[in-house]
Amino acid sequence: DIQMTQSPSSLSASVGDRVSITCRASQNVNSYLNWYQQKPGKAPKLLIFGASSLRTGVPSRFSGSGSGTDFTLTVSSLQPEDFATYYCQQSFSAPFTFGGGTKVEVK
Amino acid sequence: QVQLVDSGGGVVHPGGSLRLSCAASEFIFGDYVMHWVRQSPGKGLEWVAAISSDGNNKFYADPVKGRFTISRDNSKNMLSLQMSSLRGDDTALYYCARDSFQAYCSSSSCRSFYFDVWGKGTTVTVSS
Repeated sequence: DIQMTQSPSSLSASVGDRVSITCRASQNVNSYLNWYQQKPGKAPKLLIFGASSLRTGVPSRFSGSGSGTDFTLTVSSLQPEDFATYYCQQSFSAPFTFGGGTKVEVK
Repeated sequence: QVQLVDSGGGVVHPGGSLRLSCAASEFIFGDYVMHWVRQSPGKGLEWVAAISSDGNNKFYADPVKGRFTISRDNSKNMLSLQMSSLRGDDTALYYCARDSFQAYCSSSSCRSFYFDVWGKGTTVTVSS
């Protein structure tokens, strides 16, 4: 199975900050890497698919990069609605594993 | 709009069984690979199972293999998860999710792309 490791597990930031979250796969997943945002009591929402493709309707302050085993989600200027937990997920092969999550909190 | 509505959760004793359902609407259900994903209280997301668009091919995470069965009825736009021999570590919020239109599952492998539509989840609690 492919293990997904996210870092950090949590971070504190302020509105307007640039925030980056990294995700490392235990083996090559090419660009089959997705990012989801989850707020308390809500289902996850797809933000980025294929490592760097922004889902329609997602603000352009979100971006994804990387391929192979190392990936990054960046929020260029954090907004109040962005405080949430973020998960990476590999869709390269079953089981379609998720990272442990990164909780972005208010500093 | 495109929607998935999960239901069927509840409280069950260890060793018991439960059947979850997911009703799909406003898209051609039979064209899509579907998944179940769960989230234990305060924990992260765990993929549980996938089923091909025609229902013939099924894939499971190791912790549920042999105990859970995913199925679908394309005529009723319904996805199901039959859970048996339930254990305490099966306690979780269970989500159904739709894969992208390009996803497909053969008899030997499943090509996923991303989960673009999620239900709101249904809670399963396994407790004596």
